[in-house]
Amino acid sequence: DTAVSQTPKYLVTQMGNDKSIKCEQNLGHDTMYWYKQDSKKFLKIMFSYNNKELIINETVPNRFSPKSPDKAHLNLHINSLELGDSAVYFCASSQLPDRAETQYFGPGTRLLVL
Amino acid sequence: GNSVTQMEGPVTLSEEAFLTINCTYTATGYPSLFWYVQYPGEGLQLLLKATKADDKGSNKGFEATYRKETTSFHLEKGSVQVSDSAVYFCALSDSLGALNFGKGTSLLVTP
Repeated sequence: DTAVSQTPKYLVTQMGNDKSIKCEQNLGHDTMYWYKQDSKKFLKIMFSYNNKELIINETVPNRFSPKSPDKAHLNLHINSLELGDSAVYFCASSQLPDRAETQYFGPGTRLLVL
Repeated sequence: GNSVTQMEGPVTLSEEAFLTINCTYTATGYPSLFWYVQYPGEGLQLLLKATKADDKGSNKGFEATYRKETTSFHLEKGSVQVSDSAVYFCALSDSLGALNFGKGTSLLVTP
């Protein structure tokens, strides 16, 4: 069983389109995260939810909107896609939003905006 | 703010060589420190972690010690294998659990 899964794995789209990426975890964790990995492999936190409540919202354009329908799911919707949004997006989860917790990562969604 | 600096790669080693990847950090409070590994085309996996000063994390022959006096968390392995070829990320976590990553170090081990 996959602990943290993401769909789709690959996403190729045109500038200006709206797209969503879905994430699901079956670990029973309370906290979920979105990270962005750029072309140089640098990883940066975007959002974090704990028990469906937003707790971290980094300086991300408001074209990005996370939604957590329940504790096991955290989706990422992106409006008006731009070339610079091309990246790999990773979802992760942990038991609690605590510094000592291990985060478990999904396989990533590779987004290419043309 | 919090930040992590790790040595630039790529690092190329022969099989059975000794590995060190340096990592230093800047943080307020008492962060936890992590090493994550990313194999080609995959997500990140936890390699090891340490949650307080002087703790040593270890896994699969890799070790790192949380040194508060030098603000470091260097990764070491005594004898690398071809299967260790990957990108290694040093990271610290803040009070809300968000990970701040270094830029990653690519390791290539040749037979």
